[in-house]
Amino acid sequence: QLQLQESGPGLVKPSETLSLTCTVSGGAITSMSSYWGWIRQPPGKGLEWIGTIYYSGRTFYNSSLQSRVTISVDTSNNQFSLKLNSVIAADTAVYYCARQAYSYGEYYFDSWGPGTVVTVSS
Amino acid sequence: SYVLTQPPSVSVAPGKTATISCGGDNIASKGVHWYQQKAGQAPVLVIYYSSDRPSGIPERFSGSNSATAATLTISRVEAGDEADYYCQVWDSRVNHVVFGGGTKLTVL
Repeated sequence: QLQLQESGPGLVKPSETLSLTCTVSGGAITSMSSYWGWIRQPPGKGLEWIGTIYYSGRTFYNSSLQSRVTISVDTSNNQFSLKLNSVIAADTAVYYCARQAYSYGEYYFDSWGPGTVVTVSS
Repeated sequence: SYVLTQPPSVSVAPGKTATISCGGDNIASKGVHWYQQKAGQAPVLVIYYSSDRPSGIPERFSGSNSATAATLTISRVEAGDEADYYCQVWDSRVNHVVFGGGTKLTVL
C-alpha cells in the first residue's frame, strides 16, 4: 500500500524559504503512471495546487506561485521536495504531498500524505 | 484560467440523498474527480473520471457529468459522510490542476 509522509520545519520566518520533503513508501517514485504533487490548504480555506513533478524531472507549476516555487525529485531515496521562497504570512497552510495518477489524459490524486502544518511568522 | 464553481454548503437529513454540483466551462468534456475531506484529515478520492469509484469507497457514492455540471451524489446519507467535498479537473490548455472551492456537507 502506497504511503506518503511530509517532513520539514513547522515554522518559517517571513522572506525565508519553506522547504518540505515527501517520502514515498510502498511503491516506486519511478512508476510510469505516477506523477507527484504538492497541494496546500490555508486555515479554514480550500485546496490549492502548488505543482507536480514526474520522476524524469518534468514539472508543472501553478502560475500564481511559479516565480517562487521549485519542486525536485530524488529517485535514489524515493523522495520529492518543495521549496517556496520569499514566504509571507499568506503561505501559512497545511501542506500535502500526493501521488497524482495519470491515465487517458487525466490527472487525479489517489494517495495523500497526512499533511504538515507550516506557519510563517517571525 | 479555468474555474470550478461549487455551492458553499449542502444540508441533508440522514437516509436521504445529497447532491453536490460542480460547474465549469464545457465541463462535460473533462474528467471530474471528487475528494472527501473530514475535519482535520487529508482529502480522500471518492470518485474519479466523473463516475468511477476507487476500491473501498461505498457504492452510495456516485458521480455524473453533463453539459451543465458535474454532480456527486451520496445516497442514504450517514452522519459519517459529513465533510467538505472538492471537485477537481486537469486544465490541459495550461497544464494546471484546478480545484473547486469546496462544499460543506452537513448531515442534519
